[in-house]
This record gives sequence, C-alpha cells and structure tokens, in this order.
Amino acid sequence: KQEVTQIPAALSVPEGENLVLNCSFTDSAIYNLQWFRQDPGKGLTSLLLIQSSQREQTSGRLNASLDKSSGRSTLYIAASQPGDSATYLCAVRPQGGDKVIFGPGTSLSVIP
Amino acid sequence: DTGVSQDPRHKITKRGQNVTFRCDPISEHNRLYWYRQTLGQGPEFLTYFQNEAQLEKSRLLSDRFSAERPKGSFSTLEIQRTEQGDSAMYLCASSSNLNYEQYFGPGTRLTVT
Repeated sequence: KQEVTQIPAALSVPEGENLVLNCSFTDSAIYNLQWFRQDPGKGLTSLLLIQSSQREQTSGRLNASLDKSSGRSTLYIAASQPGDSATYLCAVRPQGGDKVIFGPGTSLSVIP
Repeated sequence: DTGVSQDPRHKITKRGQNVTFRCDPISEHNRLYWYRQTLGQGPEFLTYFQNEAQLEKSRLLSDRFSAERPKGSFSTLEIQRTEQGDSAMYLCASSSNLNYEQYFGPGTRLTVT
C-alpha cells in the first residue's frame, strides 16, 4: 500500500531564504509525482509534474527533483517571498492505476 | 476555458438531509476525480471517472455516497442522510490522457450541523 509523507509539517523562514520541502513515498512503482500549492480554504494549484522517467522539473523559482529508487522528491524554492506562504502538497500516481495518493502537506510561512 | 468549476462553493445542511455537488471539468479532459479533504490533511481519493464510466471507488465512499458523470462531461456527487462526519471540503479534479496532470476546482465546503 502506497504511503506518502512530507517533512517538515510546518516551516517558517525569513523572506529571501532558499528552502527545501521533502516528500517520501513507500512504493517506487509510480507513474508520476505532482507538487501542488493550496492557499487556506481554496483548491489546489498545480506547480510541477514529474514523470517517472524524469529526474527534475523547473518552473521559475521552483525546482522539483525525483529519486524513484529511494522514494523521495524534493521541492526547492529559491529566494522565498511572503506570497509563497501556503501549504505545499505532493501527490503520487501509481503505475497502472489512477488512485492518486497525497501527502499531508507542509505549511510554509515566509516572514517579511 | 476557465478551468475546473464546482458548485456550490459552500453548503450548510442539517444532519439527515441529502446534498448534491456539481463539478464541471476542463472541457477536453476525459478523466474526472473526486476527493475529500479535512482540516490539516491531504485530499483523500473518493472516486474516478474516465468519460462516463466510473472506474474506481474508494472504501471511503460508503453506500450513502453516489457519483455520476452521465454524458462524460460534468459530474455530480450526492451524499444521502448526511452525518456530521461528512463535514469536509469536497474537491474535484480533471486530467487528460496526455500526461495525467491533475487540475483542481475551488472545492465545495460542506458543513453538517
């Protein structure tokens, strides 16, 4: 059974810092991994999608990496801004299936 | 296309009442997903459609829950005889077969009193 965890559960950093959010999954037989952002009371916004054959994806100040063999993905945020404050969730799609499993999220607060 | 939409955005109901939520996916997406999210948790998979066919249901989806996607476009999620434990955010997402990237709607927040 696939389980997804995210560490830390919460993170507070001063503006301008670079930071790394972690996502771990127990079953390496995945099709893809997706990172999302969620603002309080809102839906999820897709940030980056990494296919199982890829090692990383970049969008602006965001870089996501994937190491399938170790069951880990990281989301790197460069030069953090107060507008980056939100909950960040990772989600894993299994190979041959459509039941996407989410982690519990990391709540990020960027202090001006 | 304006993305995935959900209606209503908020619903307050009394225990025992039935409620129905609607989701309109991105028009060219053939896959549609329903999730439930409680405070401080990630979304939990409920069910999934490919076109009009419901292909997978979670054990979370009790007999009181039913979902339909009659013409392969919009979908409805109905909860019968609501209980206080049904209070949550109900999220809908859609994707295409191209890369299965999921796009989410704003969610429907259900409060059962």
